[in-house]
Amino acid sequence: EAGVVQSPRYKIIEKKQPVAFWCNPISGHNTLYWYLQNLGQGPELLIRYENEEAVDDSQLPKDRFSAERLKGVDSTLKIQPAELGDSAVYLCASSPTSGGSNEQFFGPGTRLTVL
Amino acid sequence: GNSVTQMEGPVTLSEEAFLTINCTYTATGYPSLFWYVQYPGEGLQLLLKATKADDKGSNKGFEATYRKETTSFHLEKGSVQVSDSAVYFCALLTGGGNKLTFGTGTQLKVEL
Repeated sequence: EAGVVQSPRYKIIEKKQPVAFWCNPISGHNTLYWYLQNLGQGPELLIRYENEEAVDDSQLPKDRFSAERLKGVDSTLKIQPAELGDSAVYLCASSPTSGGSNEQFFGPGTRLTVL
Repeated sequence: GNSVTQMEGPVTLSEEAFLTINCTYTATGYPSLFWYVQYPGEGLQLLLKATKADDKGSNKGFEATYRKETTSFHLEKGSVQVSDSAVYFCALLTGGGNKLTFGTGTQLKVEL
């Protein structure tokens, strides 16, 4: 069974440029998560989707960040414009459903460097 | 609010040494507790979990016991290998199972 797929794995951009990250969750997983992981820190939730609905986006900086999961499968996270402080690893995870102690399966992440 | 505190790394051990990585938590309600491992260049993988007090999670020789009285979930392994070198994250799940809160991670280096 394929795991969570993310692309690109690495991205280097100049500040003020836009950037997008793509995630393909495990087949059949209804819940999708985007996390931000700063260097030396644990992941922090940005947004959670149940199918195509964003049910928790309280930690997403909405002035520059946006996300979508139009058909309830793949998801895209966008930053426009990027700032130096956005340099981090962006992780996508999925689970069959939320609730209980459902395991979240993580992708390898996209490492963003903003110059 | 919910939080997880882990011992700072890096932890450097010789192969076959005993490992303990401390983890304590603060949470409302009754969280589930997890240890995730992140090998270099890879995503986080669930190592073990415990869903209620006194449960012991175990996997690949690693163990952790959910201690409600001390709000702890320390990770242990009796004999580490070089291949165990990775970053280990303690985490808790609350909010109806919707939100994982992670510690800052502890890097483990195992040398021959």
